[in-house]
Amino acid sequence: GEDVEQSLFLSVREGDSSVINCTYTDSSSTYLYWYKQEPGAGLQLLTYIFSNMDMKQDQRLTVLLNKKDKHLSLRIADTQTGDSAIYFCAEGTASGGSYIPTFGRGTSLIVHP
Amino acid sequence: EAGVTQSPTHLIKTRGQQATLRCSPISGHTSVYWYQQALGLGLQFLLWYDEGEERNRGNFPPRFSGRQFPNYSSELNVNALELEDSALYLCASSLAGMESNEQFFGPGTRLTVL
Repeated sequence: GEDVEQSLFLSVREGDSSVINCTYTDSSSTYLYWYKQEPGAGLQLLTYIFSNMDMKQDQRLTVLLNKKDKHLSLRIADTQTGDSAIYFCAEGTASGGSYIPTFGRGTSLIVHP
Repeated sequence: EAGVTQSPTHLIKTRGQQATLRCSPISGHTSVYWYQQALGLGLQFLLWYDEGEERNRGNFPPRFSGRQFPNYSSELNVNALELEDSALYLCASSLAGMESNEQFFGPGTRLTVL
């Protein structure tokens, strides 16, 4: 069955880079997503990558995909205290005309001064 | 443009009661998704509605049901509430044809079952 795994916590110092890792099992995944959830709020899509890509960069965010190992990572450069949140990795596989994402449990990123 | 809205923000029920949660998608979005986010767990997919019909459901018992109205808003009903139904229920909407199939999430309804 499908499963998405990620570490539960990551603590970094302000100004450093953060790397959040994720592994998934469904080899038919078409889209891979990173969502951010701030306290008391819903999820917000940060970035996504097609499964036929191996890297995507968007300002401070870099997504790396190793499809062979089914490993996805999100790198946040120059991490700020405002980046403290829960980050969810998700993989999307076509189902009945839509992509119902399977989410990991989320990684709590704590940024300290 | 208004985002996805959900009501109520918080809901407290007792075991055996029924809960009704509501969601209004972003204007123009026809698909609505419901997820359960229990403490310590990731989001678990519950239901997907599109154009008024249920298109897919996750691995949840039949006491979790819902519907989508002609204006694309949606209701999630949970019957015979159990303690383990306590969770944050998130609604998301999407627009058909978007390249990323991005889902836009509401802030959620926190359901507490006593």
